[in-house]
Amino acid sequence: DVVMTQSPLSLPVTLGQPASVSCRSSQGLVRRDGNTYLSWFQQRPGQSPRRLIYKVSNRDSGVPDRFSGSGSGTDFTLRISRVEAEDVGIYYCMQNTYWPGSFGQGTKLEIK
Amino acid sequence: EVQLVESGGDLVQPGGSLRLSCAASGFSFREHFMDWVRQAPGKGLEWVARIRNKGNNYPTQYAASVEGRFTISRDDSENSVYLHMSSLKIEDTAVYYCAKDRDGAGDYWGQGTPVTVSS
Repeated sequence: DVVMTQSPLSLPVTLGQPASVSCRSSQGLVRRDGNTYLSWFQQRPGQSPRRLIYKVSNRDSGVPDRFSGSGSGTDFTLRISRVEAEDVGIYYCMQNTYWPGSFGQGTKLEIK
Repeated sequence: EVQLVESGGDLVQPGGSLRLSCAASGFSFREHFMDWVRQAPGKGLEWVARIRNKGNNYPTQYAASVEGRFTISRDDSENSVYLHMSSLKIEDTAVYYCAKDRDGAGDYWGQGTPVTVSS
């Protein structure tokens, strides 16, 4: 199975400052169709997960443009340009290039 | 508006069975793959099962941890997806989410239904 490793696991950030989460996969995530099925999810306290980014860098509808995704091969990054209070929660990367789909351990973002 | 509403979660003894349901609305259900994902208390997310659409002959896939014990199915006429769970273990205790799949991952998730396996 593909192992997804996130860092850091804890991310204290000052309001208005940028933040980034790294995600590394144990093997390359380009599928035969040429797509890279790497997504990012946000889970606010007490809520269901919400997808923010799909196929590395595509923002889902309604997701603020301060969120962006990048990367290729085995290394991927979620960036928040200016952290707001509503961004508190746990962020997960997930690959679905290979079955079973696998999630990273999660990165807990908190406000300093 | 897309809505996914799970139900069926309960307290069950080890070795028991349970069927979860997920009622979908607000999108063309028959066109989409559907997933079940779970989250154990205080833990991260784990993909459990996937069922594809009719155009792909409804193939199913399972995580190794549930293979042979869980069965995912769908009824396109009822816009519903199901997860039949048998031989339940304590480690199956989790909130179970259903998700509508688009571009390789769930773009909409339900609110989840809790399953507790305990004697």
